[in-house]
Amino acid sequence: QSVLTQPASVSESLGQSITISCTGTSSDVGGYDYVSWYQQYPGKAPKLIIYDVIHRPSGVSTRFSGSKSGNTASLTISGLQAEDEANYYCTSYRPTNSFVWVFGGGTKLTVL
Amino acid sequence: EVQLVQSGAEVKKPGESLKISCQVSGYIFTNNWIVWVRQMPGKGLEWMGIIHPGDSDTRYTPSFQGHVSISADKSSNTAYLQWRSLEASDTAIYYCGRRDGYNFHFDYWGQGTPVTVSS
Repeated sequence: QSVLTQPASVSESLGQSITISCTGTSSDVGGYDYVSWYQQYPGKAPKLIIYDVIHRPSGVSTRFSGSKSGNTASLTISGLQAEDEANYYCTSYRPTNSFVWVFGGGTKLTVL
Repeated sequence: EVQLVQSGAEVKKPGESLKISCQVSGYIFTNNWIVWVRQMPGKGLEWMGIIHPGDSDTRYTPSFQGHVSISADKSSNTAYLQWRSLEASDTAIYYCGRRDGYNFHFDYWGQGTPVTVSS
């Protein structure tokens, strides 16, 4: 069972927008601005798309954006494209032991 | 160009040992932490542990402490993930990733090493 809670699956139509949530606690998501999001295609390595809640690495589409409110972080994808169909994982800093990261369970995005 | 290149697919029997690798290039190996992540078939990503190649400081998540060993060889710019006795439940794809400096995210990843453990 993952420490951070994500919906198992979401779906939306081409061209629309969708938001994927990532809910934690005040010990992780709510306590620090160190939430990152990774995109993963089946059988491929994860790819960093958002870090420190809102920042996009160079080369990542501006259609991806991040935000946070309280203990819930969110990833929004606007203008959905077929290539956005993938799995998305959130992760957060959580300094409760010597290993300080926790994952969400992942969300499968289907683009209709 | 930063690259993390992992060793190839492995097929092993329960009880056998295994060491997989993650060789990096394009940056100074000893400057960045390397993390290992497991992905079991059809499942999500799980953190396993992390190592700083500069001083071999290694941290494990509770789920993997005592079951795997993480190491690094500065002379070959390579990080390793090792098992002494594999179990069928170790069947998974294993990814290595590079921590972006002292930030709290991982910016580059290896291509993954599939490991199958079956009698």
